[in-house]
Formats: sequence, structure tokens, C-alpha cells
Amino acid sequence: KNQVEQSPQSLIILEGKNCTLQCNYTVSPFSNLRWYKQDTGRGPVSLTIMTFSENTKSNGRYTATLDADTKQSSLHITASQLSDSASYICVVSYTGGFKTIFGAGTRLFVKA
Amino acid sequence: DVKVTQSSRYLVKRTGEKVFLECVQDMDHENMFWYRQDPGLGLRLIYFSYDVKMKEKGDIPEGYSVSREKKERFSLILESASTNQTSMYLCASSSRVWEPQHFGDGTRLSIL
Repeated sequence: KNQVEQSPQSLIILEGKNCTLQCNYTVSPFSNLRWYKQDTGRGPVSLTIMTFSENTKSNGRYTATLDADTKQSSLHITASQLSDSASYICVVSYTGGFKTIFGAGTRLFVKA
Repeated sequence: DVKVTQSSRYLVKRTGEKVFLECVQDMDHENMFWYRQDPGLGLRLIYFSYDVKMKEKGDIPEGYSVSREKKERFSLILESASTNQTSMYLCASSSRVWEPQHFGDGTRLSIL
């Protein structure tokens, strides 16, 4: 069964600290993996997108990694800021990109 | 910058009503999508459209229909609203199926 699982469900960290969010998937045939950030009351916004051949992609303080062999991805946030408080959603596309599965998200709270 | 605009942020309707949710994008994107987002679940695809007057069922199309008469506008219709359709509805668009989607800020729909 095609699935995308994210962990943890929620996370609280102090401002300035780093954190890593996990995404495991059982999707085939894999096309690409994206990470989105969703602020409360807003729609998701794309952070990164990676294809099979890419294993790292950065967007400012956000760095996503992909291990296509183990079907795992992580999103590392460096030097967290209060504005990083949001839900982070892992999205995997398959079948040439025509099908997509969204993870349930990780809710990150950054405290001062 | 791509802008996806959903006509209402909040909407309250009664069971049995016919409900229209409107979405407009300003970037001439071919593809448009309707999702619903419920707590603890990933976004689930209701319908998508890859061209004017074209539509494809997503994962949960029951109880919904869509209309795309113009490229920039994609409407979601609840034929006879029921309480289990209370949810956050998100519209998105993309230029290619495999490229990141741009989301609106959602319509929080309550069916009483």
C-alpha cells in the first residue's frame, strides 16, 4: 500500500536550536519528494523538491535529504526562528508524477 | 508570484444545501486541484483538472463535483452538503503535474 509517514507528530524546540523532521514512504514507482511548510490558517508553501537522483537540497536554513534506497527523507532546520512554527508536510509523487500522497505533517512549535 | 485565491475563508452552510467553492489562479497554470484537509490526516485529493472542461476524480470524489469552464477558475460543488463534509478545503495549481503546487489559503467549511 502506498503510504507516507511523518515523525514526530509534533515537536517543541527553543529558538536558535536545530531540529530534524522525518518522512518514510512506501511509494512506487517514485517520481519526486517535496517538503511544504504550512503556517496556521494558510495554504502549504513549497520548500524543496527532490527527484530520485538528488540526495540533498537546501533552501536557506532548510535542508532536505533523500535516501531513495531506504525510502526515507528528512528536513533539517538550522538555527530555528519563531517564524518556523508551522506544520511541515512531506509529499511523495509517483507514477510519473500523476499521483501524489501527502503525509499528515509534523507540527513544529518554536519557543522563545 | 503565483496567486491562488479562494473566494471565502470561512463558510457556514446547512445540510442538504448545494455549496459552491470558487478558486482562481493568475499564472495561466494548466493544472488545478481541490483537496480537503482534516486533523491528523494528510491532504486528500478530491478532483483535479489538467485543462479547461477536463476533470479527473481523485481519492475521495464522492459527494463532490467540479467545474472548469475557464482556465483560471476551478469550482468545487457539494451537491447536497452533509455534516461529514465539514473540513478545510484547499485549492492548488501547477504548470506541470510534477512541479510544486501553489496553494490558496483555504476555505474552512462548516456544515450544520
